[in-house]
Amino acid sequence: DSGVTQTPKHLITATGQRVTLRCSPRSGDLSVYWYQQSLDQGLQFLIQYYNGEERAKGNILERFSAQQFPDLHSELNLSSLELGDSALYFCATFQDRVDEQYFGPGTRLTVT
Amino acid sequence: EDQVTQSPEALRLQEGESSSLNCSYTVSGLRGLFWYRQDPGKGPEFLFTLYSAGEEKEKERLKATLTKKESFLHITAPKPEDSATYLCAVQGGSNYKLTFGKGTLLTVNP
Repeated sequence: DSGVTQTPKHLITATGQRVTLRCSPRSGDLSVYWYQQSLDQGLQFLIQYYNGEERAKGNILERFSAQQFPDLHSELNLSSLELGDSALYFCATFQDRVDEQYFGPGTRLTVT
Repeated sequence: EDQVTQSPEALRLQEGESSSLNCSYTVSGLRGLFWYRQDPGKGPEFLFTLYSAGEEKEKERLKATLTKKESFLHITAPKPEDSATYLCAVQGGSNYKLTFGKGTLLTVNP
């Protein structure tokens, strides 16, 4: 158990809908990374927050947005969902002092 | 743009048969190279961080090494429980983004 929690574990929704994925980092970790993992694309970096501020951005679609709250939990919002958005979504936190990254268990999103 | 290529895509070994996985990379100012293990349907599990050419790290049957262009994950006398996908990632010095390779699927048969 990495100590990073993600909810929900599974999510099934229809095209055009909007969903919110939630991530709680380990105690003391200030950063949150979001990744998308699909069978053909591998693990793709979406966005990173550090202590409430956006720090780095990957190939995140405009339909996707994220934020990190004062209690350091983060939410990833996916809107106008398409079939191709079906994937595993992971969040991860970085222990800066020792450069170790810990992943949550992921949210499996299925868009039908 | 940072790039990571892992080979082979899949590797099947017999229990006890040692081998190596390769991770070739291009990055502007390497800040760190990371190895992870991922089991099906689960989040990647951190294994190692390497920072500079010549560095080596070991953990049980795994040993990671780093050169200026590639990293190797050596697996000595593997066991069936070592079966997993092994992922390599790099972090460049100019940003905090991690770029991952597509992984090597390792299967160890008893």
